[in-house]
Amino acid sequence: EVQLVESGGGLVQPGGSLRLSCAASGFTFSSYDMHWVRQATGKGLEWVSAIGTAGDTYYPGSVKGRFTISRENAKNSLYLQMNSLRAGDTAVYYCARGVIYDSSGYYFDYWGQGTLVTVSS
Amino acid sequence: DIQLTQSPSFLSASVGDRVTITCRASQGISSYLAWYQQKPGKAPKLLIYAASTLQSGVPSRFSGSGSGTEFTLTISSLQPEDFATYYCQQLNSYPPWTFGQGTKVEIK
Repeated sequence: EVQLVESGGGLVQPGGSLRLSCAASGFTFSSYDMHWVRQATGKGLEWVSAIGTAGDTYYPGSVKGRFTISRENAKNSLYLQMNSLRAGDTAVYYCARGVIYDSSGYYFDYWGQGTLVTVSS
Repeated sequence: DIQLTQSPSFLSASVGDRVTITCRASQGISSYLAWYQQKPGKAPKLLIYAASTLQSGVPSRFSGSGSGTEFTLTISSLQPEDFATYYCQQLNSYPPWTFGQGTKVEIK
């Protein structure tokens, strides 16, 4: 059974840092792209970062230069290092597995339960 | 970046109703669109990918259609467990992997 379990959320002051983790099980972790997606309370889904199987990384402009995604395949773990946090980063952060099908099809098939990050003084 | 606009943002329906949600893309995305269902306090769940392919285990009352810039998610007969928020996501031109703003389906 595929499982993704996030941890590391909490309360942090503006300008502070936090590192989220996502423990994966039930599949060959190294063979899949992985993503972080966040959701502020009462708001929609926002893609935050992605890492490919070769370690290539991607970010939207809203977090580029502040967030760093990484993976440790030996530990079946995904990470998100968040620096220079702002109130607008307050959200539930989900990790999700990316699946490639056919030549260019893609979807996110499994998601963790999320971890809450609150940025406040 | 490709923008996705869902309509309506909110709909009120009764058990047994046929429900249709539309997702429009700001430019053509072929059939690279997915639909997710999210219940309060829970993670999103994949329902449909490639615009019309039902994910394993998803009830057949859910269906998707469309290509290019206009897509629909249809629930043929709304069940109590279907009251949730639904999101579309484009997977044609990435990054970024963008989502629609969501459609909340509530009980009438």
